[in-house]
Amino acid sequence: DADVTQTPRNRITKTGKRIMLECSQTKGHDRMYWYRQDPGLGLQLIYYSFDVKDINKGEISDGYSVSRQAQAKFSLSLESAIPNQTALYFCATSDSRFSNTGELFFGEGSRLTVL
Amino acid sequence: AQSVTQLGSHVSVSEGALVLLRCNYSSSVPPYLFWYVQYPNQGLQLLLKYTTGATLVKGINGFEAEFKKSETSFHLTKPSAHMSDAAEYFCAVSGAGGGNKLTFGTGTQLKVEL
Repeated sequence: DADVTQTPRNRITKTGKRIMLECSQTKGHDRMYWYRQDPGLGLQLIYYSFDVKDINKGEISDGYSVSRQAQAKFSLSLESAIPNQTALYFCATSDSRFSNTGELFFGEGSRLTVL
Repeated sequence: AQSVTQLGSHVSVSEGALVLLRCNYSSSVPPYLFWYVQYPNQGLQLLLKYTTGATLVKGINGFEAEFKKSETSFHLTKPSAHMSDAAEYFCAVSGAGGGNKLTFGTGTQLKVEL
């Protein structure tokens, strides 16, 4: 089983619908992140959480919200989806003991299409 | 503030040829630099990283990169390309106090031809 699991892997929805993407991890890491990937734009940070009570906005948080339900779970919500939120979304984790020098561990991605 | 520029969104090489993927960074603090690889339909995985110490860093699958402060570069190389190297490669930077908040480049798609 993957260490960082994202559900759903693929989702097609309509404009205005509420969508939740879920992420769970078995790595025991305290830090979790949500990134968005668009062709030609690389990865952009949406939200990050350094522990259950510490949630921070990233570069492109508008239109998104998150919830850190437990150390191992971090979900991303689109309250009212719009077509330009069509993208590939990645959850990632890291270990604060390694601070800046540590690596991120990524899930396999959730592809969201908003019609 | 920090940023990464990857020159060339698509690079094509012949199997057995040298692979060179370019990355230049901007950082107001000493940078930590990373290369990640993304195979089709998969998440990103770490190839190699530079934090401190030796400026030539070796990674997995025969890749290496050299940190050149004077050129603000961290180019990725592999002496001999293999078909299995076809993937998208991302350079990323983080700085002191930034936690693990990486800033990614826009990616380079590597194609390996027979």
